[in-house]
Amino acid sequence: DVVMTQSPLSLPVTLGQPASISCRSSQNLVHSDGSTYLNWFQQRPGQSPRRLIYKVSNRDSGVPDRFSGSGSGTDFTLKISRVEAEDVGVYYCMQGTHWPRTFGQGTKVEIK
Amino acid sequence: EVQLLESGGGLVQPGGSLRLSCAASEFTFSIYAMTWVRQAPGKGLDWVSSISPSGDSTYYADSVKGRFTISRDNSKNTLYLQMSSLRADDTAVYFCARNWGDLDYWGQGSLVTVSS
Repeated sequence: DVVMTQSPLSLPVTLGQPASISCRSSQNLVHSDGSTYLNWFQQRPGQSPRRLIYKVSNRDSGVPDRFSGSGSGTDFTLKISRVEAEDVGVYYCMQGTHWPRTFGQGTKVEIK
Repeated sequence: EVQLLESGGGLVQPGGSLRLSCAASEFTFSIYAMTWVRQAPGKGLDWVSSISPSGDSTYYADSVKGRFTISRDNSKNTLYLQMSSLRADDTAVYFCARNWGDLDYWGQGSLVTVSS
């Protein structure tokens, strides 16, 4: 199985400051169709997960442009340019290239 | 707006069975793969199973293989998860999600508690 390793697991951030979460996969995530199915999800307290980013760097509709995704192969990053109070929650990466699908452990973002 | 509404959760004894449903609306259900993901209390997300649009291809996590069955009824726009031989470690909120490579929409979840 593909192991997804996130770091850090806890991320205290000052409002207005940037934040960055790393996600590394144990196998290359390029699919045979040429796409890289690496997604980022946000789960606010008490809510269902919400997809933020798909195929590494594509932002979902309605997602603020302070969120960005980058990376390739086995190394990926989610960046928040300026953290706002509503960004508090747990962030997960997930690979959709290989079976079984696998998630990272989650990174808890909180305000200092 | 795409809607996914899970139902069927509840309290079940170890070894028991339960069937979850996920009613889909506001999109053409029959052309999308679908997925179940679960989240144990205070834990992270755990992929459970996925099914192709027609239902002829299914995939399972090793932890549920042989005990859970995913299925769908495209005439009713509904996804199912039949769970049997339930164990305490199956206790979780079960979410249905659209697609299987990039889960773009999620339901609100249904809590399954396995306890005597």
